[in-house]
Amino acid sequence: QVQLVESGGGVVQPGRSLRLSCAASGFTFSSFGMHWVRQAPGKGLEWVAVIWYDGSKQYYADSVKGRFIISRDNSKNTLYLQMNSLRGEDTAVYFCARDIWDKYCSDISCAHFDYWGQGNLVTVSS
Amino acid sequence: QSVLTQPPSASGTPGQRVTISCSGSNSNIGSNTVNWYQQLPGTAPKVLIYRNNQRPSGVPDRFSGSKSGTSASLAISGLQSEDEADYHCAAWEDSLNAWVFGGGTKVTVL
Repeated sequence: QVQLVESGGGVVQPGRSLRLSCAASGFTFSSFGMHWVRQAPGKGLEWVAVIWYDGSKQYYADSVKGRFIISRDNSKNTLYLQMNSLRGEDTAVYFCARDIWDKYCSDISCAHFDYWGQGNLVTVSS
Repeated sequence: QSVLTQPPSASGTPGQRVTISCSGSNSNIGSNTVNWYQQLPGTAPKVLIYRNNQRPSGVPDRFSGSKSGTSASLAISGLQSEDEADYHCAAWEDSLNAWVFGGGTKVTVL
């Protein structure tokens, strides 16, 4: 069965860096786009970034552009999020999610997230 | 401030019908499809409705979605206690090349 398992979270000081990982199993990882979505304590969901199935394209939320880098290693079935210059407002549970474009959907605008990881807490605090 | 607007809360008694709205603009809901995610307390979100009105296998037909213009709605008919959760709408935002979410609606079964 499809599994997404995040790791790498923890407590980090403002201005420092952290790298999250998302280990995928149960499907052909190299065939699917992957996302990071975060949720600050008591708040709604906020999309962070997407990377195409082959790593050829990435998009970011304005709130993280220039600070976060999404990447993937298809040989290791793993998704990454490199988070630099962390701020207090980056404190959140970070979820990785798989997107799916079915036969009625030809681009990302009609995709949806069909599997999610369990989430990993990142706390930015001095 | 979320790009998509949802009411923060909704409630109903068991068996009632509850509707949640999601309001956007021409560059998101107006030109793209809408997905709905259910998040039970302490868990990861799960897709409930995709492409405006499609239910993944395993989702009860008590849940239905619709879209008109720049707004979308999720309806829960025959409300059950296990439906207590947060519900989030999402759509692709053409002007940002980004996914945008609503702020989430907490559904309480009275």
